[in-house]
Amino acid sequence: EAGVAQSPRYKIIEKRQSVAFWCNPISGHATLYWYQQILGQGPKLLIQFQNNGVVDDSQLPKDRFSAERLKGVDSTLKIQPAKLEDSAVYLCASSFAGGQGTGELFFGEGSRLTVL
Amino acid sequence: ILNVEQSPQSLHVQEGDSTNFTCSFPSSNFYALHWYRWETAKSPEALFVMTLNGDEKKKGRISATLNTKEGYSYLYIKGSQPEDSATYLCAFGNTDKLIFGTGTRLQVFP
Repeated sequence: EAGVAQSPRYKIIEKRQSVAFWCNPISGHATLYWYQQILGQGPKLLIQFQNNGVVDDSQLPKDRFSAERLKGVDSTLKIQPAKLEDSAVYLCASSFAGGQGTGELFFGEGSRLTVL
Repeated sequence: ILNVEQSPQSLHVQEGDSTNFTCSFPSSNFYALHWYRWETAKSPEALFVMTLNGDEKKKGRISATLNTKEGYSYLYIKGSQPEDSATYLCAFGNTDKLIFGTGTRLQVFP
C-alpha cells in the first residue's frame, strides 16, 4: 500500500516569497490534515479536511496561508508571503475516519521549509 | 488552552538499558491517546492508539499504559537498541481534535 506522498521535501525561500506544498493521501482516506512543526515544538494542526470540506482551520493564519483539497483527494498548502517564523516542517497526514482523534494517522515524510 | 506535556525532553541511554517516558494530558473529554515514533528524515509512524482507561498495549519491546482518570500515559522500551533512536510523540484526542506534545528525543548509544 502506497503511503502519504509529499513534495517538495525541502524548500528554501526568502521572506515575502511564496511557496506551495503538495500532498497525496492514502487511497480511500477521507480525512486529511496539515500540521506545522516548528523546531522544539510539537506538531500544530493547521487545517483538517473531511473529503473536500474543511472541518477545522482555527489555527491557520488565513492572511498568508491557504489550503485546498480538490475532489477530496490531493491537497495543496500555500504560504504567501512567507515570514521568517514560517520556517518549519509541514507534515501532511491522512486517516480512514476523522474526528474524535480515535483513528490512527498516517504521515508523509514532511516538507522542510527554510525562510531566509 | 489544552496542554499535552511530555517528559523528559531528551534522553541518552546505553544499548540494552530499559527506559520510559511520560505523557500528561487533560483528564476531561478524553477520546484517545496516540503514541508515534518519528525517526530523522522519515515520516512519523503510529505505535499505539489507546482509548480505554487501564489500556496496556505492546509491540515487541515497546509497551504503553494509559490512565485517563489522572491524565497520563507511559511508554516503555525494554532493552533499548540503537534503532530505537527517534523522537517519541504522544497526542491527546478530545471531542474534536488531536493535540500533540513536544516529544521525547531518545538516543541509544552502542
